[in-house]
Amino acid sequence: QSVLTQPPSVSGAPGQRVTISCTGSSSNIGAGYDVHWYQQLPGTAPKLLIFGNNNRPSGVPDRFSGSKSGSSASLAITGLQAEDEADFYCQSYDNSLSGPVFGGGAKLTVL
Amino acid sequence: QVQLVQSGAEVKRPESSVKVSCRASGGTFDKFAFSWVRQAPGQGLEWMGGIIPIFDLAHYAQNFQGRVTITADKFTRTAFMELRSLRSDDTAVYYCARSDYDHYASGSLRYRYFDLWGRGTLVTVSS
Repeated sequence: QSVLTQPPSVSGAPGQRVTISCTGSSSNIGAGYDVHWYQQLPGTAPKLLIFGNNNRPSGVPDRFSGSKSGSSASLAITGLQAEDEADFYCQSYDNSLSGPVFGGGAKLTVL
Repeated sequence: QVQLVQSGAEVKRPESSVKVSCRASGGTFDKFAFSWVRQAPGQGLEWMGGIIPIFDLAHYAQNFQGRVTITADKFTRTAFMELRSLRSDDTAVYYCARSDYDHYASGSLRYRYFDLWGRGTLVTVSS
């Protein structure tokens, strides 16, 4: 049972827009802590995709964007491409657990 | 290019221990925190704990308190994770991940996002 809740799966056709939600609580996202997102391609290590709610590291396309409101956050992917198929994880900090926490991950399928 | 180079796969018996290493090649070792994140087969990511080498201070997730020890050698730029009393459900890929951290006047420390990851080390626990 992950501290942050994500849908297990999302899907979309090439070119479409999809969003992945991440719901927390008053001890993590709702407490004002930043949300970060990672993309994990099959058989590889996670890669930082979005940091500080809505910032992209160098090299990440602007098709990926993040937002945060209250105790939830979202990752949006526009112009879906086949190579976007991956697992996506949100991460924040939890003050009751005193450490970083992850969502359970959402598997993106490009139809 | 900065990389985190992890040690190779391990096969361990139940009740034994495993120690995995993570060497930072390039970059500034002391400036960052190094965490261990594991992923059981088909499952999500789980933060186990981390260390801030410049303070030689380790932090552990509640689920692993008493069973894991994280250390760092500043001279070899290597972080280590030792997990004891292994069980079959400890079978997982163990990732080393680098992050910045926030240091508050109160003395508390908070790990930020993980901007660099190792390739992972598969640990299999089987009798």
